[in-house]
Parts: sequence; structure tokens; C-alpha cells
Amino acid sequence: DAGVIQSPRHEVTEMGQEVTLRCKPISGHDYLFWYRQTMMRGLELLIYFNNNVPIDDSGMPEDRFSAKMPNASFSTLKIQPSEPRDSAVYFCASSFRPTEAFFGQGTRLTVV
Amino acid sequence: GESVGLHLPTLSVQEGDNSIINCAYSNSASDYFIWYKQESGKGPQFIIDIRSNMDKRQGQRVTVLLNKTVKHLSLQIAATQPGDSAVYFCAENWGNAGNMLTFGGGTRLMVKP
Repeated sequence: DAGVIQSPRHEVTEMGQEVTLRCKPISGHDYLFWYRQTMMRGLELLIYFNNNVPIDDSGMPEDRFSAKMPNASFSTLKIQPSEPRDSAVYFCASSFRPTEAFFGQGTRLTVV
Repeated sequence: GESVGLHLPTLSVQEGDNSIINCAYSNSASDYFIWYKQESGKGPQFIIDIRSNMDKRQGQRVTVLLNKTVKHLSLQIAATQPGDSAVYFCAENWGNAGNMLTFGGGTRLMVKP
């Protein structure tokens, strides 16, 4: 397995634009997590899914953020409209039951 | 993935020495703990885990110690190598469904040749 695959690796967008981050979890994993990493706040859990169903989205900062998991092999995190303070590295991770999460390489988002 | 910057505690060790990285966790109900290593430009990578019914677990060159009384976790790396230079995070597993990992702020390990 190639591990958790995220795309794009880097995204630069203008304030107000819609941004969509993509994730392909490891096959067979039934948990998927979206994290955000910044210098000020470290690694923060935004939302996680179990069997494609959102379980806890209490970490999603505001309504501009939304996440979907239409099937077991794909998830998206969307920001609409984007703001400069959304600039961060966004990680997707997956796991099999409540064990260690395997992280993707991350998407570095810059909103100018 | 650039993890953190100027505010990270830093541990500087000589190559070949042992390293000890400490972590204080927040939730006494946490029952599972993980250490992650994050190299520059990469996502966190699993190193070792421990459940709350244990106080010590060993892996290859790494040992994790858990002290539930004071809610303290440590990672010991034996014979530290330049490739060990990275940011290390501890994470605790808690939450209603027991499936949420909460990460600490991280410690930067620098290995001097």
C-alpha cells in the first residue's frame, strides 16, 4: 500500500476562493482524520470519520470548513471562502480501529 | 509539513548519546498513548505506543515510559543518530468514542555529529 495519499501537496490561493483538499486513506482502514498544523496551535484535529460517517466535527473552526467522505477510499476537506488565517499544513490520517493513525504527507495551504 | 517553529522546546544531544523526551498529558481518562516523529516536510510517523495498563514498552532503540500518577510520558532513544533529528510529538487517545488523538506541542531533537 502506498500509504495515505493527499493532493495537492501545495496550494496557493487568493482570499475568498474555494479550496478543496483531497485524501485517499489506506485501504482497509475504517477511520479517517483531518488535522491542521500551524506554528501557533500545533496539530489540531478538525474532524474524523468512521466507516465514512462523520463522528466528531467539533474541531472544525467555522462554517467555512466542510468535509465529506463519499466512499471508503476518498475524502475531501473544503474551505469556502478561504481566508489568510487558514494558511497551514493540512494532514489526513487513517487508522484501523482506535490504533495508531497513519499520516499523509500533508497539503501546505497558503491563502494570500 | 513544517511543523512548528520558534516556540518549540529543543533538546540537543551528541550523536551516540541517549535522548529522553518528556511529555505531560492532560486527561487522566486517556488509555492509549503514542509517540510520533515528524521530519521536515513530512507527516508525523508512528514510533511506538503504550496502553494505560502498562508502564513501559520497548521497541527498537526506543522505550516509552508511562507514569499515570503524574500524567507523564517519556520517550527514550538509545544511541541517538543524526537521522533521529526531528520533532517528536506525544499523543493521547481520549474522547467519547475513544478514537480521538490529541497531540502535545512537540519537542525538537537536534543531534550533533
